[in-house]
Amino acid sequence: ETGVTQTPRHLVMGMTNKKSLKCEQHLGHNAMYWYKQSAKKPLELMFVYNFKEQTENNSVPSRFSPECPNSSHLFLHLHTLQPEDSALYLCASSRDRGVGNEQFFGPGTRLTVL
Amino acid sequence: SQQGEEDPQALSIQEGENATMNCSYKTSINNLQWYRQNSGRGLVHLILIRSNEREKHSGRLRVTLDTSKKSSSLLITASRAADTASYFCATASNQAGTALIFGKGTTLSVSS
Repeated sequence: ETGVTQTPRHLVMGMTNKKSLKCEQHLGHNAMYWYKQSAKKPLELMFVYNFKEQTENNSVPSRFSPECPNSSHLFLHLHTLQPEDSALYLCASSRDRGVGNEQFFGPGTRLTVL
Repeated sequence: SQQGEEDPQALSIQEGENATMNCSYKTSINNLQWYRQNSGRGLVHLILIRSNEREKHSGRLRVTLDTSKKSSSLLITASRAADTASYFCATASNQAGTALIFGKGTTLSVSS
């Protein structure tokens, strides 16, 4: 185990649903990340939080809304998603947002949008 | 983009053989990291090599870095069926800040 947990592990939702993904890290890290992994494509960084503050938003559509209430927890709120949003969503953490720190990943949430 | 590109995309070998995967990137880096991903699961960090290092070892893993060619290789010696996974290189640079830029990965299959 990497010390990063994600729930749920699988999620199926309709395009009009609202759901949330949860990530928790038990490593005492200060930076947390959301990535999207689609088939045949490289991992796409979505959001970065450092000490609870959002420091990066890589042009992610507003139907994805992150929330970081503290350094240990990270949420991704989903609403009115599209079928092309179906993917594996990975959460990661690192000691801080220094350049190129090792990142620790959770197991991911497999999202299917119908 | 300084995206890493792994080569080959897929590799099939027998247990006991060595597996070599290559990664190329486009701009200067601070460090380069290799990660492993078992099917449908999260990534696990394997090894980090800094831009001023040329070779690094960790167990059965050997990583080389050639900054003049902007390339790295990951060698897994004496492979095992449990090494079956996807392997990704990720580059870090001052320009990218926190972000790691991942390649599309090499899928390794080791048959017993």
